[in-house]
Amino acid sequence: GENVEQHPSTLSVQEGDSAVIKCTYSDSASNYFPWYKQELGKRPQLIIDIRSNVGEKKDQRIAVTLNKTAKHFSLHITETQPEDSAVYFCAASDRNQFYFGTGTSLTVIP
Amino acid sequence: DGGITQSPKYLFRKEGQNVTLSCEQNLNHDAMYWYRQDPGQGLRLIYYSQIVNDFQKGDIAEGYSVSREKKESFPLTVTSAQKNPTAFYLCASSIRAGTSGSYEQYFGPGTRLTVT
Repeated sequence: GENVEQHPSTLSVQEGDSAVIKCTYSDSASNYFPWYKQELGKRPQLIIDIRSNVGEKKDQRIAVTLNKTAKHFSLHITETQPEDSAVYFCAASDRNQFYFGTGTSLTVIP
Repeated sequence: DGGITQSPKYLFRKEGQNVTLSCEQNLNHDAMYWYRQDPGQGLRLIYYSQIVNDFQKGDIAEGYSVSREKKESFPLTVTSAQKNPTAFYLCASSIRAGTSGSYEQYFGPGTRLTVT
């Protein structure tokens, strides 16, 4: 089955700096890669996603890149703000099966 | 994700008792899922259902049971056979995104179960 690895597990950045979270996957059949943000005690919220026919996608301060050949994808957050502090999960999906990374706890220091 | 509801938000039970967690969605999504999340951990799949009256075990199905009698509802029963039931339980549903062949998944607000 699919195996998704996510790094780093924790990340601290100064407010205004950029944050990058990386994930790798193993199954070349995976074709959809969502990213979720989870605040403490809340549900994971879909913040951005990318499909396998696209290499990069941006939405304001967040962007996701995908390298299908290397089987890795990354989340980039620019101009970080304290409200970006949360746990971020990557996932890889084939049809309606979803495989999650173990999460990255991001802390933005004011 | 506003169309997925879970109740109750907090649930307390004594060890040895079965407990059923509710999950309802009004999004007309075909597939529904149950995940377990432990503190500082990722999401582990318990069960999923792609269609009414059909469901499959996930990675950690032991000690859990589900039913899918209606498209809108996918209740999870935590049985007394589950060794460590205290956790945060998340229900999700998914829908096919256009013609891409991929599915988008959305989560309910979760139920925090404490068993003592």
